[in-house]
Amino acid sequence: GQQLNQSPQSMFIQEGEDVSMNCTSSSIFNTWLWYKQDPGEGPVLLIALYKAGELTSNGRLTAQFGITRKDSFLNISASIPSDVGIYFCAGPYNNNDMRFGAGTRLTVKP
Amino acid sequence: EAGVVQSPRYKIIEKKQPVAFWCNPISGHNTLYWYLQNLGQGPELLIRYENEEAVDDSQLPKDRFSAERLKGVDSTLKIQPAELGDSAVYLCASSPSRVREQYFGPGTRLTVT
Repeated sequence: GQQLNQSPQSMFIQEGEDVSMNCTSSSIFNTWLWYKQDPGEGPVLLIALYKAGELTSNGRLTAQFGITRKDSFLNISASIPSDVGIYFCAGPYNNNDMRFGAGTRLTVKP
Repeated sequence: EAGVVQSPRYKIIEKKQPVAFWCNPISGHNTLYWYLQNLGQGPELLIRYENEEAVDDSQLPKDRFSAERLKGVDSTLKIQPAELGDSAVYLCASSPSRVREQYFGPGTRLTVT
């Protein structure tokens, strides 16, 4: 079945540090989505990627659609305390419904 | 533009009781999703609607769960009867079309005692 692996599971970093997380799929995707979820809230869309090799930025966030179409990366530069949360990747299963990774929990120490 | 609206935000019920959740998607979004999110996990799809038609409900436990989207706008998700294992966050999302970006509501946190 479809496997969507997200790593790392959790990260503890110092404010100001850069962060990198990734997501891999057992099959080819034509879309990658990255979300952030704060406690008690729904996931909020950060970046959407639709083409292999695409590199897209949203402020301090940058995401890339891997050339193999089986992976994606999210980088956060110069982290700040409000970056704390859970980051999810998502991609379409069988070009249909989105499947979500288990998330990367980010903690930023001031 | 208003986002996806869900109500209630929180619900506590006793097992075997019924419960219903309501969702109002972003205006103009034809695709609507209901997801289940357990603690420490990503959202898992329960059902997807294209306008008023349920096109993917393979993950919906049909013995106790039901959903409807009348007139292709608002949607309700019902559980009857609720079980202890149904305690989770129920998220609604909408999208301009499938496999495009989805926008989530704040979710309903259900606790079954």
